Amino acid sequence: GAVVSQHPSRVICKSGTSVKIECRSLDFQATTMFWYRQFPKQSLMLMATSNEGSKATYEQGVEKDKFLINHASLTLSTLTVTSAHPEDSSFYICSAEIPGNSYEQYFGPGTRLTVT
Amino acid sequence: GQQLNQSPQSMFIQEGEDVSMNCTSSSIFNTWLWYKQDPGEGPVLLIALYKAGELTSNGRLTAQFGITRKDSFLNISASIPSDVGIYFCAGAGTDKLIFGTGTRLQVFP
Repeated sequence: GAVVSQHPSRVICKSGTSVKIECRSLDFQATTMFWYRQFPKQSLMLMATSNEGSKATYEQGVEKDKFLINHASLTLSTLTVTSAHPEDSSFYICSAEIPGNSYEQYFGPGTRLTVT
Repeated sequence: GQQLNQSPQSMFIQEGEDVSMNCTSSSIFNTWLWYKQDPGEGPVLLIALYKAGELTSNGRLTAQFGITRKDSFLNISASIPSDVGIYFCAGAGTDKLIFGTGTRLQVFP
């Protein structure tokens, strides 16, 4: 149980284009999902908390107009990197929290974004 | 953002050895979680701790929730090559997890 998938696993895009990353909880419903960014050899950095049916909560320093988050259903959250630039290249990981399950988050396999 | 301090930063051990790593915080947490991350993958939840003083095992892994609620440790007994990876602790705040800096484990045959 508690399986989270992400798509795509890898994406290469040109500077100036937008990229959408999907995060799905496969065997449970998640009212709350999280989006993280991870730089090489570093820990996970929370970007935003995605709440089903309401606006995402962004961490300080994360541009909400650049990183658009939509959580339209209980099993799907999407992160769109708009007008991507090379400095947006990173490993993006989502997680989902089982409602009422004491903060346990289950992570997707991650998406490697490379902006050329 | 806030991060928890993990030590050691990295470990190089021989297969069969036991491993111990810990995580400390200046803040109190009500839940501690331990994750393992393989290269190019998302973290996998290993153990969750909910009460101060709690000691929980998952196979060869044992973790404890410190009595002060400001620390936690993870032990791995009889290490094997597939234990290689980065181990992260995480403390549960009011609405999000605060992650540790990570301990990179290398196991040599």
